Formats: sequence, C-alpha cells, structure tokens
Amino acid sequence: DAGVTQSPTHLIKTRGQQVTLRCSPISGHKSVSWYQQVLGQGPQFIFQYYEKEERGRGNFPDRFSARQFPNYSSELNVNALLLGDSALYLCASSLFGQSVNYGYTFGSGTRLTVV
Amino acid sequence: AQSVTQLDSHVSVSEGTPVLLRCNYSSSYSPSLFWYVQHPNKGLQLLLKYTSAATLVKGINGFEAEFKKSETSFHLTKPSAHMSDAAEYFCVVSEGSNSGYSTLTFGKGTMLLVSP
Repeated sequence: DAGVTQSPTHLIKTRGQQVTLRCSPISGHKSVSWYQQVLGQGPQFIFQYYEKEERGRGNFPDRFSARQFPNYSSELNVNALLLGDSALYLCASSLFGQSVNYGYTFGSGTRLTVV
Repeated sequence: AQSVTQLDSHVSVSEGTPVLLRCNYSSSYSPSLFWYVQHPNKGLQLLLKYTSAATLVKGINGFEAEFKKSETSFHLTKPSAHMSDAAEYFCVVSEGSNSGYSTLTFGKGTMLLVSP
C-alpha cells in the first residue's frame, strides 16, 4: 500500500507569490493534517481536515488556507509568501480525526524555499 | 494548553552504549504521548505511543519509554545505540480539543549523534 504522498518534494518561490502543496492520504484514511517545520524546530500544527471539513486550525495567518476533496486528498495554499514561510511542510493522515488511538502517518514533506 | 520540553538539543553517544532522551510535558488532561524519529530529508516515523495503558511502552528498533505522571516525564531509552539510530527525535503530546479532534504538539527535537 502506498503511504502518504506529498507533491512536489521541493519548491522555490519568490516573495509575494502563491503556492499550492498537495497531499494524498493512505487509502481509507479520512483525516488529513498539515504541519510546518521550520529549520531547527519541531513541526507546528496548521490545519486538520476530516470528512472534507476543517476541524482544527493552528496559530497561522489567514494567508494560509486548505481544503479536502471528496477522495480525501488535500491541498494547502499559502498566499503572499514571506521569507519566513520557508519550511518543510508535512502532511499527516489518520483513519479518523482522533490521533490518540489511531495515530498519524506522516509524508516525507514538501521543502518550500522562498527567495 | 499542552506543551512539551525536550531537555537536550543534542545527545552524543558511542555505538553500543545506552541512549537516554529526556522529555517533560504539560497537559490539562490525561495526555497521549508519542516519540517520533526523523532521519535527514525524511518524514516522521512513529517510534512508540502511550495512550493510558501500560506506563512502560515498547516501540520499534529496541526503543522504549516510561510514562511518569508524578514527574510529568516521558523519557526515551535504548539499551545499546546503533549507528543507524543517528537522527532527530521528537517528543509529542496530544490531547482532545473542544471540537473533539486532537492535534499534536511537538517538542523542539533532540539530535542524537552516534559515534563508532
């Protein structure tokens, strides 16, 4: 079975541009979460989606948005990119929305560099 | 609010010697706790998890962790380090939210260096 798939793996953008990152969860998983990992730090929670609805949002500005599609894949959009948005963006899938019993499986991430 | 403190940013050991990575947590409720490992340019891999069952949790690759509520600690140990254990390790706490869905709060990570 395929794991969590993220695309692209690497991306370079210019300040002020917009970017879309994509995630396909494990087959059968209905929940997708997004995390931002800045170099030298632990990942920080951005969004959680379950059954195509937003179920949680971290402390990120409105420039960050996301959605989940009927096939449970997800997109993360970031508008008006800043240098500080440079990070590894991780997608995690889970069977349901509660991680405590079912756990999260993470993808390998998308490395975004803003220049 | 939940939080995690990893007490060491770097830990250096020799191959074959024990490993101890320290983690303290803060949580309003009974937390679930995890350890994840991240190899260079890779995603996160779950090592083990505590979800209010046995306080001593065994994980993959010989790692284990003990939940100590009185000390609010969840330290990760391994009896004998292997070169392939060199990676960054994250202690993670999870608790439910008002929406009924849980999120993960990560520590800042501990880089484990293993020398021959």
